[in-house]
Amino acid sequence: NAGVTQTPKFRVLKTGQSMTLLCAQDMNHEYMYWYRQDPGMGLRLIHYSVGEGTTAKGEVPDGYNVSRLKKQNFLLGLESAAPSQTSVYFCASRNSYEQYFGPGTRLTVT
Amino acid sequence: ELKVEQNPLFLSMQEGKNYTIYCNYSTTSDRLYWYRQDPGKSLESLFVLLSNGAVKQEGRLMASLDTKARLSTLHITAAVHDLSATYFCAVDAEGGSNYKLTFGKGTLLTVNP
Repeated sequence: NAGVTQTPKFRVLKTGQSMTLLCAQDMNHEYMYWYRQDPGMGLRLIHYSVGEGTTAKGEVPDGYNVSRLKKQNFLLGLESAAPSQTSVYFCASRNSYEQYFGPGTRLTVT
Repeated sequence: ELKVEQNPLFLSMQEGKNYTIYCNYSTTSDRLYWYRQDPGKSLESLFVLLSNGAVKQEGRLMASLDTKARLSTLHITAAVHDLSATYFCAVDAEGGSNYKLTFGKGTLLTVNP
């Protein structure tokens, strides 16, 4: 089992560019999440999904969109990147007992 | 809105000493999690606490949950350098099967020789 994987691991964008972060899990979990981590802020929930075809807003959803077309994948999109979106992004999936995190994507927007 | 507060946010301690990290939360919940994060790495699950009075131990770390006080503690016994990391607590924001974790800001632990 690979667990939770994220692509890419690093990315540098210019302001206004777009990109998609891919999260994949092989544990057949219904629940998937996207967080961002900034110094001193802990992890903040961007969007989440409770099953294939569903998405919901978290604490900091503005500037991001998500899709969950397949149960194993959860995509996070930035349509027009801003410097404030410079962060480390973590994807996670969970069962009823425990939540598992991916390795993270470090995104810099210049 | 669920708030999760950890203290201290920064903790510098000597090897061999004991200390406790506190995690307070603002609404009713009986599911609390502790994670460890090393610099530049992802979060690693340490403990899952699912009921009032739950206590779990792994090596030099012990976690407990008091749902009535809305408080969890992470106790470190005889600290060693390898325990240096950031520790996060997280609480499930909603009951039932709607799982959504709210995280504390983390406690940066440095263990000095």
